[in-house]
Parts: sequence; C-alpha cells; structure tokens
Amino acid sequence: EVQLVESGGGLVQPGGSLRLSCAASGFTFSTYNMNWVRQVPGKGLEWISYISSSSNIIYYADSVKGRFTISRDNAKNSLYLQMNSLRDEDTAVYFCARDLSYWGQGTLVTVSS
Amino acid sequence: EIVLTQSPATLSLSPGERATLSCRASQSVNNRLGWIQQNPGQAPRLLIYDASYRATGIPARFSGSGSGTDFTLTISSLEPEDFAVYYCQQGNNWPLTFGQGTKVEIK
Repeated sequence: EVQLVESGGGLVQPGGSLRLSCAASGFTFSTYNMNWVRQVPGKGLEWISYISSSSNIIYYADSVKGRFTISRDNAKNSLYLQMNSLRDEDTAVYFCARDLSYWGQGTLVTVSS
Repeated sequence: EIVLTQSPATLSLSPGERATLSCRASQSVNNRLGWIQQNPGQAPRLLIYDASYRATGIPARFSGSGSGTDFTLTISSLEPEDFAVYYCQQGNNWPLTFGQGTKVEIK
C-alpha cells in the first residue's frame, strides 16, 4: 500500500524557516517524481514544487521561487521542502504527492507573529 | 500559466442522481487533465487522469471526457461518499494548475 506521511509543520514567525519531510513507503520511491502542493484552509489547491526521480529536474511556483527548496533522499525514501523567509500567506496545509496520484494527509504550517 | 475554470461552483443533488462537472482550460492541455476528489479534512484523491482514464480503485460510476480545452467529469449515480469537492488539474504545462473546485452537496 502506498503511504506518504508528512511531518515538520508548526507555528513559525514571519521571516522564519521550517523544513517539511515526507516519508514514503509501499512503492519504489526512487523511480517516481514527487510534488508538494499546499492548501490554505477552506480554499483550493496550489501546486508549489516538483522534483524528478533523480533530482535532475526541479520546478517551483513563482509564489515560492527563491524561498523554498525541494529535495529528496532516495536512500531514505524521503522528500523534503526547506521553507525560508516565510510569509503570512504561506500559512496552509502542505501535501506531498506522488505524481498527484497518491497524496499524504498533509501537515499544517502556520506563519504568524 | 494555464487557467482552469470550473463550473458550477456548487452542485446540489440527491443521492442516486447524475452529476456533471465542467472544466475549461485557457489553452489546450493536450488531454493532460485530471480530476481530484477531496472530502473535508481528508487528503485529495485522484479519480481520473489523462482526461478519461480511471485511477486505480476508482469505481466505474466516475467517468471523464473531453479534449483540448473542455472537459467533463460525470458521476452516474451519486453515492453518499461522493458529496465532496472536485478539482480539475492540468499537467501539460508548468506551473501545474488546479481549477477552483466544484462542491457537490446534498440537496
């Protein structure tokens, strides 16, 4: 069974940093492309970043480019999102998703002073 | 950026009725169009990919159609668990984009 479990969310002040993790199991992680998608509570879905299976292709949404960094460790079956210079508008539930076919339950990031 | 516009915003139907949801893209997405279901407090779930292919484990009452810029998700007979929010999503161009969602609610 495919499982994706996000962690690392929490309360952070504006300008602060946070690192999200996504632990994958139930499939060969190293052969799949991965994404991060976020959702402001009560609002729609927003794609924010993509990383190819071998990390050689990476994309970001303009809203996070230059502030967020996606990475993965195929040996640890893990996906990461380093978030710097956080803003109030980054407050959302962050989901990791395999090809947008399978999604984790999400982790809530709250940016507030 | 490709903009996806979904209609209607809300669909009020009764169990057993047929639901028809629309998604229009601002330019062609070459059938790289998916439909995603989300129940409150739950993770999104892929229903349809490449416009018309059901994802693994998705019941046959869900079907997708369309091409180019106009797409439809049809639920042939609504079950209680189908009352949820549905998003279309395009994978043809970066950035990936989602529609704003259609809420299917119980009438």
